Amino acid sequence: AQSVTQPDIHITVSEGASLELRCNYSYGATPYLFWYVQSPGQGLQLLLKYFSGDTLVQGIKGFEAEFKRSQSSFNLRKPSVHWSDAAEYFCAVGASGTYKYIFGTGTRLKVLA
Amino acid sequence: EAGVAQSPRYKIIEKRQSVAFWCNPISGHATLYWYQQILGQGPKLLIQFQNNGVVDDSQLPKDRFSAERLKGVDSTLKIQPAKLEDSAVYLCASSLVAWGEKSTEAFFGQGTRLTVV
Repeated sequence: AQSVTQPDIHITVSEGASLELRCNYSYGATPYLFWYVQSPGQGLQLLLKYFSGDTLVQGIKGFEAEFKRSQSSFNLRKPSVHWSDAAEYFCAVGASGTYKYIFGTGTRLKVLA
Repeated sequence: EAGVAQSPRYKIIEKRQSVAFWCNPISGHATLYWYQQILGQGPKLLIQFQNNGVVDDSQLPKDRFSAERLKGVDSTLKIQPAKLEDSAVYLCASSLVAWGEKSTEAFFGQGTRLTVV
């Protein structure tokens, strides 16, 4: 069965520092992978997605993620965090064929000024 | 392009009452999802429609939850009767997909925050 694990419930970084949010997935075939961000009281906004091809994916707001099949991971990175990046981040895996999305439990990011 | 519209944004009801949520997906999107997001958790899929047919409702508590998609466009999710543990944000999402297409993404509405007291 598909599953997504986000090991870090909370992460705190200083503004300007680099960021890496971890995501591990379990899926039998090549997955479709997504990172979404959710600000308080808002819906989910897509940051980036991986379907195939280049394993390093660029997204909006300066985010990138790397698909590593051998590690079943799809970690999200940003070289320099801004205070406005404080939000909750969700990794999701989509099943080919059914297009069913499974979300992780999320990582809440706090940014210190 | 207009996004996914949901209403109401907020709803407070007493337990055992009924409630309905409405979703209007992005025009032309064949797939529609309803997710339940309990505070501190990731969204959990309740039901997935492809046009007006149900693809997956395995996690929908069918004794109290029901959903329909009218003419393959708008959708309503109903809870009757509500329980305290139904307090959550209910997110609707849609995606442009047809069987056999390889890539898509889901666009989410802002959600309906339900509080059951």
